[in-house]
Amino acid sequence: DAKTTQPNSMESNEEEPVHLPCNHSTISGTDYIHWYRQLPSQGPEYVIHGLTSNVNNRMASLAIAEDRKSSTLILHRATLRDAAVYYCIPGQNFVFGPGTRLSVLP
Amino acid sequence: SAVISQKPSRDICQRGTSLTIQCQVDSQVTMMFWYRQQPGQSLTLIATANQGSEATYESGFVIDKFPISRPNLTFSTLTVSNMSPEDSSIYLCSVEGRGRFETQYFGPGTRLLVL
Repeated sequence: DAKTTQPNSMESNEEEPVHLPCNHSTISGTDYIHWYRQLPSQGPEYVIHGLTSNVNNRMASLAIAEDRKSSTLILHRATLRDAAVYYCIPGQNFVFGPGTRLSVLP
Repeated sequence: SAVISQKPSRDICQRGTSLTIQCQVDSQVTMMFWYRQQPGQSLTLIATANQGSEATYESGFVIDKFPISRPNLTFSTLTVSNMSPEDSSIYLCSVEGRGRFETQYFGPGTRLLVL
């Protein structure tokens, strides 16, 4: 499985965009990139996934570098409810790294 | 998506005892997974449970300590045996989503404190 590097923590103001980076330089060509988040006292929940092209859904956007060695999860307008730990998971074996703890300030 | 429930939601247990955690999903799924999340840590996969076959355990986890049952396509149990304080964690089950992207859906977790 590809090893990931994410910032330990990030801070954002409410209603501002947030860019959460992830490096996965050892990703294989066929591995999807999944993003999950874990709200306080809950199990992880699916956010978005992609392979090569940028992806959008109602929760977020995923920008994937052309060489696929990094990706960025974009929350277009952070809300207080978006405060969570965000996990970038390349590959199909769901190896969770430490993730990025996002704090949203009112 | 799938709706997953776990019982109990939390428990406090004495060392040396065992606890069985139940995981129920609202639809039939082939693969179910059990994770452990130690305090302040990320999730670690314990084992994968397919209906009709023995569970497959990850390195560092053994069947004698974490026996798993998978009697049908909507239910699984994880037992934490002969517990010690080091077993205090959140235990989560998950199921694979449908489709080719192998998304997983997680239950709310069982918070276990061993005294």
